[in-house]
Order: sequence, then structure tokens, then C-alpha cells
Amino acid sequence: AQSVTQPDIHITVSEGASLELRCNYSYGATPYLFWYVQSPGQGLQLLLKYFSGDTLVQGIKGFEAEFKRSQSSFNLRKPSVHWSDAAEYFCASPPPSVTYKYIFGTGTRLKVLA
Amino acid sequence: ETGVTQTPRHLVMGMTNKKSLKCEQHLGHNAMYWYKQSAKKPLELMFVYSLEERVENNSVPSRFSPECPNSSHLFLHLHTLQPEDSALYLCASSRQEAYNEQFFGPGTRLTVL
Repeated sequence: AQSVTQPDIHITVSEGASLELRCNYSYGATPYLFWYVQSPGQGLQLLLKYFSGDTLVQGIKGFEAEFKRSQSSFNLRKPSVHWSDAAEYFCASPPPSVTYKYIFGTGTRLKVLA
Repeated sequence: ETGVTQTPRHLVMGMTNKKSLKCEQHLGHNAMYWYKQSAKKPLELMFVYSLEERVENNSVPSRFSPECPNSSHLFLHLHTLQPEDSALYLCASSRQEAYNEQFFGPGTRLTVL
């Protein structure tokens, strides 16, 4: 079955440190990939998306993600984390056959230490 | 107002009650979605409406009944719920075309006693 996997349930980093959140997908064709962030008590906000073209994608709030076909990955990165980045992060992708039906990863909860 | 709004933000109901969740989008989108978000579980797609027609009903129990009277409004009618239905219910909208990003509302935190 098609899937989106986020291997890390929780990640803790110190403020100012770099961050990488992992996402793997299982589709054969070039996928459409999204990263969303959810702050406590809020809905999901789109950080960035990849459809095609340049494999390094820039998003909002200083985030970027790199699509690597060879590794079936779309990892989210930020060079210097701020305390306000503490939230839950979701990777998502619609399978080729059902384009409106996003498959979400289980999420990675980020904790930022002062 | 802009974006996707949901009311109420919090709801506590007994198992015999009937209530409705409301979602409104001000983005000119023509597809709307209901998701259920439970602790320690992936986001679950419940219903999808495209151009006001239901295109997905993801094996959701009949105690959840969606309604989409127009492309800007989406309701989720609730009746005789179970405690395990307690969750955050998220509404989202998008343009109908494939692969468009979905815009989410803040959710309704539902507690069933």
C-alpha cells in the first residue's frame, strides 16, 4: 500500500540548533509532497510543497525541504530553530490514483529547548 | 474573515445529543474535507466534497452525517456518538484540481461523555 512515513515521533533540539525532520514515501512515480505544521490547538498550515523541478524547495518561516528520489525522501530542514517552531510537523502526499486523498504521516512533535 | 473557519472551537456532548459542526471557507475553493485527528493516530480523512457532491465517504459510521449546501459551507452533523469519537475535527478546503494544497481550519475539539 502507498504510504508516507515519518520515522521520528519526537525530536528535541536546542534553540539555534539546526533541524532535520525525516519523511519517506512509497510511491513509484514522482510524488507530490507537502509539509504542514500544526501548533497546539490549531489546524495545519502549509510550510512548503514539491511538485516537480528543483529538488530543493523553500518554504515559509525559514524552512526548506529536499526531494531525493534515490532515497524516496523529502526531509524538512531549518538551519537555526526558534522556540516558536515547537509544534507538530506532518508530511503528506496524495497517491497518484486518488489525487485529493492525502496520505499523512503520523507526525513528528518538535520540542525546542531554551 | 479570511481562510477557513470552524465553529464551535470546543464542544462537549453526551452520547444522546445531536449537534453540528460548521466549516466555512472564504478562499473561493470548490472542494472541502472533513478529517478526524485522534491522539497517536494519523490524520483520518472522513469525507470529501467536490463541487458540492460527496466524492469520498471513508467508511465513516452513520452517526456522522456531512452536508455541503454550497461550495463555501460544510457541516458535520453528529448524533448518538461514542466516547471514542472524541477527537479534533478538522475541516479543509482546496481548489478542485488535483494536487492542490489543502487549507485547514483550526478545528473543533469534541469531547463525548
